Amino acid sequence: KQEVTQIPAALSVPEGENLVLNCSFTDSAIYNLQWFRQDPGKGLTSLLLIQSSQREQTSGRLNASLDKSSGRSTLYIAASQPGDSATYLCASNNAGNMLTFGGGTRLMVKP
Amino acid sequence: DVKVTQSSRYLVKRTGEKVFLECVQDMDHENMFWYRQDPGLGLRLIYFSYDVKMKEKGDIPEGYSVSREKKERFSLILESASTNQTSMYLCASSLPGRDTEAFFGQGTRLTVV
Repeated sequence: KQEVTQIPAALSVPEGENLVLNCSFTDSAIYNLQWFRQDPGKGLTSLLLIQSSQREQTSGRLNASLDKSSGRSTLYIAASQPGDSATYLCASNNAGNMLTFGGGTRLMVKP
Repeated sequence: DVKVTQSSRYLVKRTGEKVFLECVQDMDHENMFWYRQDPGLGLRLIYFSYDVKMKEKGDIPEGYSVSREKKERFSLILESASTNQTSMYLCASSLPGRDTEAFFGQGTRLTVV
């Protein structure tokens, strides 16, 4: 059964820093990997989806990479802002569009 | 934009009540899902559906049932609410296929007292 792990569980950085969030998964036979943002008490907002055949996807200041052979994905946030403060979740889609989620990284960007 | 709407943001129910959580999506998605999210346990799949009248158990279906009478609507039913079902419930939808994106609703925070 797929297991997804996110490290670190929490991260605090000063505004303007570039940062990397990590996601690892045990079963490399994934259909795709999706990154989400969750604000406190709210639902999930989709940020990026990387298909199994892709190496990376970019959206604005966000860049997500995927290395299936090593079972890893990273989310790179450039020039972080206080508004980026949230919990970031990665989820693998192994079959049937059912997602297996990591525990999330809680990010705080300090002004 | 895809919109997934959950009927309530917050609910407070009594132990033993029958509880209905409603989810509606407006993008004609075949797939719909119910997850619950708990501190330290993350998001876990309760039930899912690939089509009208179809349902499949997820990882934690005990104490829940679902209904999908129309394509756009997926209901989660707590037959007899218990305090251990206090949680954040999240509905999602997606198209079928390998590379489709999942879209989530805003969540329902259910408290069972």
